[in-house]
Amino acid sequence: DIVMTQTPPSSPVTLGQPASISCRSSQSLVHSDGDTYLSWLLQRPGQPPRLLIYKISNRFSGVPDRFSGSGAGTDFTLEISRVEAEDVGIYYCMQATHFPWTFGQGTRVEIK
Amino acid sequence: EVQVVESGGGLVQPGRSLRLSCSASGFTFDAFAMSWFRQAPGKGLEWVGFIRSKVYGGTTEYAASVKGRFSISRDDSKNIAYLQMNSLKTEDTALYYCSRYGGRSDYWGQGTLVTVSS
Repeated sequence: DIVMTQTPPSSPVTLGQPASISCRSSQSLVHSDGDTYLSWLLQRPGQPPRLLIYKISNRFSGVPDRFSGSGAGTDFTLEISRVEAEDVGIYYCMQATHFPWTFGQGTRVEIK
Repeated sequence: EVQVVESGGGLVQPGRSLRLSCSASGFTFDAFAMSWFRQAPGKGLEWVGFIRSKVYGGTTEYAASVKGRFSISRDDSKNIAYLQMNSLKTEDTALYYCSRYGGRSDYWGQGTLVTVSS
């Protein structure tokens, strides 16, 4: 199984400041079809997960442009340019290139 | 508006069975794969399984932890995906989510809670 390693596990940030989360996979996430099925999801307290970014860098509908994804192969990053109060929650990276699909352990973003 | 709604959760004894439903609306259900995930209390997300659309054979994939005990099916005439859970264990206690999949898990339901306890 592919292991997804997220860092940091916790990220206290000041409102209006940037935040960055790293996700590393134990194998390349490039699919045989040429795409890389790496997504980022946010789970706010008491809520289901919400898709933010898919295929490394594509923002899902309605996701603010302060969220951006980058990376390739085995190393990926989610960046929030200016953290807002509504961004608090746990962020997960997820790979859907190889079965079984796997998640990172999550990064808790909280306001300082 | 795209919606997926899970139902069928509840309290069940170890070794018993339960069937969850995922009712979909607002999109062409038979054109999409569907996936199930779960989240144990206080834990992270875990993928459970996946069913392709009939165009891709309607075949399924499962996590090792549930393979042989859980099965996923779909009824495209009713826009419902099912998760049949047999031989339930206490470690299957979790909030179960379904999600539409079309190259991304884009729409998630609110989840349905399954508690396995004697």
